[in-house]
Amino acid sequence: AQSVTQLDSQVPVFEEAPVELRCNYSSSVSVYLFWYVQYPNQGLQLLLKYLSGSTLVKGINGFEAEFNKSQTSFHLRKPSVHISDTAEYFCAVSHTGGFKTIFGAGTRLFVKA
Amino acid sequence: NAGVTQTPKFRVLKTGQSMTLLCAQDMNHEYMYWYRQDPGMGLRLIHYSVGEGTTAKGEVPDGYNVSRLKKQNFLLGLESAAPSQTSVYFCASSTGTGSQETQYFGPGTRLLVL
Repeated sequence: AQSVTQLDSQVPVFEEAPVELRCNYSSSVSVYLFWYVQYPNQGLQLLLKYLSGSTLVKGINGFEAEFNKSQTSFHLRKPSVHISDTAEYFCAVSHTGGFKTIFGAGTRLFVKA
Repeated sequence: NAGVTQTPKFRVLKTGQSMTLLCAQDMNHEYMYWYRQDPGMGLRLIHYSVGEGTTAKGEVPDGYNVSRLKKQNFLLGLESAAPSQTSVYFCASSTGTGSQETQYFGPGTRLLVL
């Protein structure tokens, strides 16, 4: 069975500082990995995804994530955050050949002025 | 394109009442999903559909039923609401080529069961 663990439930950070949101997964088969963002009172939208190939994936709004197969991690990073990045971020995993996606519990990013 | 829309946006029910949540998508997507979102638990899959006329159970299907009579619509029913079903419900859709595809989410329905 697959599972996703987001290691931090909340991450406060000052504006223009770098941030890393951590995600670990477990799966016995090949996986696809996703990061979604949820702004207040909205549905989720895709930030980026890893399907295959280069382990460094670039997404929207300056975010990027690195797939590390040996550590089963897919951490999300941004070198300089803005107030507008305040949101909840979800890591998700699905397995090749499947229909379902498993979501982590989410990490709330608070960007302070 | 409206994308994925959900009706209603907010509802209050009494224990034992029934209701139907409607999800509609105009992207001609094959796959549709219903999730519930609870604090500290992320999104949990209730039911999903891989095509018109087909549905399947997800992680937490008990107390819910679904129907996909038309490709663009996916209905979620609560036959006898319970306080444990107080949650935010999200519908999502994706193209029919597999789990690598991006899911597109609706804005959510907030349900309070008293």
